[in-house]
Amino acid sequence: AQKVTQAQTEISVVEKEDVTLDCVYETRDTTYYLFWYKQPPSGELVFLIRRNSFDEQNEISGRYSWNFQKSTSSFNFTITASQVVDSAVYFCALSGANTGNQFYFGTGTSLTVIP
Amino acid sequence: ETGVTQTPRHLVMGMTNKKSLKCEQHLGHNAMYWYKQSAKKPLELMFVYSLEERVENNSVPSRFSPECPNSSHLFLHLHTLQPEDSALYLCASSSSYYQPQHFGDGTRLSIL
Repeated sequence: AQKVTQAQTEISVVEKEDVTLDCVYETRDTTYYLFWYKQPPSGELVFLIRRNSFDEQNEISGRYSWNFQKSTSSFNFTITASQVVDSAVYFCALSGANTGNQFYFGTGTSLTVIP
Repeated sequence: ETGVTQTPRHLVMGMTNKKSLKCEQHLGHNAMYWYKQSAKKPLELMFVYSLEERVENNSVPSRFSPECPNSSHLFLHLHTLQPEDSALYLCASSSSYYQPQHFGDGTRLSIL
């Protein structure tokens, strides 16, 4: 079974604080991919990052960083020095070699950054 | 034009109307998707088309009818909808399971 859990439904932080969004996944595939998307109020989901199951190297892109740990089946997303423009709903997603073209999304975490 | 384009952006219709949502992608992808996103609910996959053939239909009511005439276009035909069908309908495309999906801006549908 494929499943993505984002336990944090809503998070509020004050501008310039760091915030971590959690993502835990379940899969039986040995080859799989994890994704993060951002959905601003306008509605469109914007792709942020992709990570494959064989690459546990953490990644940093500006104020964004991702921590992939296979041992805990987690792919957490940290925003450093948050800004108001980071306010959005963030989705974690999973696809696998045996899932065909289907992607499995978590329920999303709504982040509000307060100025 | 690039990316995934959905029309219309907003749609208000009565329960007895018939309308269609349109999605177009210019990315050369071979898979297209319809998702429903209701308020306070997760993304729900409705339909998946791969190489213009429907490969996934997640028990969607028959009042929603998809059509994929070619790999660049996807439609969602609507008829006799219910108030609970009011939601944001998102279209996406992808080239494979290991590439990210690209999403359109969505159509916000309101059923009166």
